[in-house]
Amino acid sequence: LAKTTQPISMDSYEGQEVNITCSHNNIATNDYITWYQQFPSQGPRFIIQGYKTKVTNEVASLFIPADRKSSTLSLPRVSLSDTAVYYCLVVEYSSASKIIFGSGTRLSIRP
Amino acid sequence: DAMVIQNPRYQVTQFGKPVTLSCSQTLNHNVMYWYQQKSSQAPKLLFHYYDKDFNNEADTPDNFQSRRPNTSFCFLDIRSPGLGDAAMYLCATVGLAGTDTQYFGPGTRLTVL
Repeated sequence: LAKTTQPISMDSYEGQEVNITCSHNNIATNDYITWYQQFPSQGPRFIIQGYKTKVTNEVASLFIPADRKSSTLSLPRVSLSDTAVYYCLVVEYSSASKIIFGSGTRLSIRP
Repeated sequence: DAMVIQNPRYQVTQFGKPVTLSCSQTLNHNVMYWYQQKSSQAPKLLFHYYDKDFNNEADTPDNFQSRRPNTSFCFLDIRSPGLGDAAMYLCATVGLAGTDTQYFGPGTRLTVL
């Protein structure tokens, strides 16, 4: 399983764009990159997933360079409610794969 | 509409007294996972099922057992809870790992007295 490395914590301000980068040097061909958000006392929630290049949905964008050894989650115009822990995962395309969480990035948004 | 339901949300047990946590899903997903999450830590995978095939993580203590009687339900049994087992226990499901969204339940917070 590819191990992920991401910053332990980040701070930003309301209205700013926040970019969280994740390193996954040993990513395999069948692996997808998935990001989750977790608020205190709640289960993680899926944000976005990608394989390569760029993926965008209503809450975030995910940038994946050609070598796929890293990825960047971009949150546009953050608000206080985006304060949470963000996890980057590498998951094998399979019917019965393990889904292992890394240490996560604790994002704090200030007014 | 709840898709992954965990009961109870809060469970208090005594040291050494067996406890069972339950998880049910309305998604008809093949894969179900149990995670343990301690304060300020990432969720730690305990085991997962693909249909009835059980996959235990190497470092999951024998004190933790699981049952999956059918597609919809999965149980986590802690045979003799210790103080170190106090944590949030999360259940999750996925249809096809990798490209399907993994849905988490709200978790059961276990307190051991």
